Amino acid sequence: NAGVMQNPRHLVRRRGQEARLRCSPMKGHSHVYWYRQLPEEGLKFMVYLQKENIIDESGMPKERFSAEFPKEGPSILRIQQVVRGDSAAYFCASSPDPGQGFSGELFFGEGSRLTVL
Amino acid sequence: AQKVTQAQTEISVVEKEDVTLDCVYETRDTTYYLFWYKQPPSGELVFLIRRNSFDEQNEISGRYSWNFQKSTSSFNFTITASQVVDSAVYFCALTADTGKLIFGQGTTLQVKP
Repeated sequence: NAGVMQNPRHLVRRRGQEARLRCSPMKGHSHVYWYRQLPEEGLKFMVYLQKENIIDESGMPKERFSAEFPKEGPSILRIQQVVRGDSAAYFCASSPDPGQGFSGELFFGEGSRLTVL
Repeated sequence: AQKVTQAQTEISVVEKEDVTLDCVYETRDTTYYLFWYKQPPSGELVFLIRRNSFDEQNEISGRYSWNFQKSTSSFNFTITASQVVDSAVYFCALTADTGKLIFGQGTTLQVKP
């Protein structure tokens, strides 16, 4: 009964490199959310996806950031040409299909910590 | 627009003291969910409680209790007889209809032996 799995847990990149963070939702969950937590701050919503579809990307930076949740495999948050300001913890959460309405059931992974040198 | 305010940035108490963490929220939705999470120094998010807007009953779980008052838009969290292991950052969060949570800025609780 695995929970939300994120990898890598820690990632170090140099400025200008690409970072890819993966999230496998809980079994039976088809909706994924990505959040970012900058140092000493709270979590901020980035993007909400279901399989093969971006539902809400209102929190995503306009450039260099992208997210996908393919039909097969984990959701991926991709950051191109990383800068020092991208250093943060990135959390993924998953929920079942809201169907008739959100039930409040939401589970977070342990986070991926990106450090940009 | 939705908003969550945790006015207490940092709280320091001595072990065995009771401590209350405040959370005030704003929303125009009639149906919504409120959450509390604990983030220990190790960094993961630990789910503590979820409450929907139709359930104003207070909840107690061991040393933890929550006081939900719609009249004042507050969802406060009390730890009774605090312990050093309670030291962490605590987040209150709100959502209306999806997993898109609005988080407060967090309250850092330090419990000294």
